[in-house]
Amino acid sequence: DSGVTQTPKHLITATGQRVTLRCSPRSGDLSVYWYQQSLDQGLQFLIQYYNGEERAKGNILERFSAQQFPDLHSELNLSSLELGDSALYFCASSVQGERETQYFGPGTRLLVL
Amino acid sequence: GDSVTQMEGPVTLSEEAFLTINCTYTATGYPSLFWYVQYPGEGLQLLLKATKADDKGSNKGFEATYRKETTSFHLEKGSVQVSDSAVYFCALSPHASGGSYIPTFGRGTSLIVHP
Repeated sequence: DSGVTQTPKHLITATGQRVTLRCSPRSGDLSVYWYQQSLDQGLQFLIQYYNGEERAKGNILERFSAQQFPDLHSELNLSSLELGDSALYFCASSVQGERETQYFGPGTRLLVL
Repeated sequence: GDSVTQMEGPVTLSEEAFLTINCTYTATGYPSLFWYVQYPGEGLQLLLKATKADDKGSNKGFEATYRKETTSFHLEKGSVQVSDSAVYFCALSPHASGGSYIPTFGRGTSLIVHP
């Protein structure tokens, strides 16, 4: 158990819909990362937050957004969903966010029908 | 930008065979290097890491040495077990002085170990 929790574990929705994925980092970790894992694209870094502020942005679509709240949990919002958004979404956390080990949650499996 | 290239799988071995999974990287500055492992149905977990040139990371019989001259971080194990079957990811985390915090992962190498 990494100490990172993600909810929900599975999510099935329809094209055009909007969903919110939630992540609680390990106690004491200030940095949260979001990743998308699919068979054809591998593990893609989406975005990183550090202590409530956006620190780094990767291959995140404009339809996707994220935030980190004062209690340090984070949410990833996916809107106008397309079939191609079906994937595993991982959250990870680390203490500060620079050159550190990341601790991954179990992931949310999203299926868009 | 930074990049990580690792050998494509699947790598199929018999139990007690020697394992090597190659990983090379490009990055500015002095990144930290990692190997993560993902078991079926789970998230990634750290296997080992190295933070500077010539460092050797090791864990559970796995080893990797940070080679700056060849920009490589190859994963090795002398005798694999069936329980080592998983997907292995090579990754780097840049030094912020290079202007980037973006971590970079390889595409993963699937390892299958037969009894």
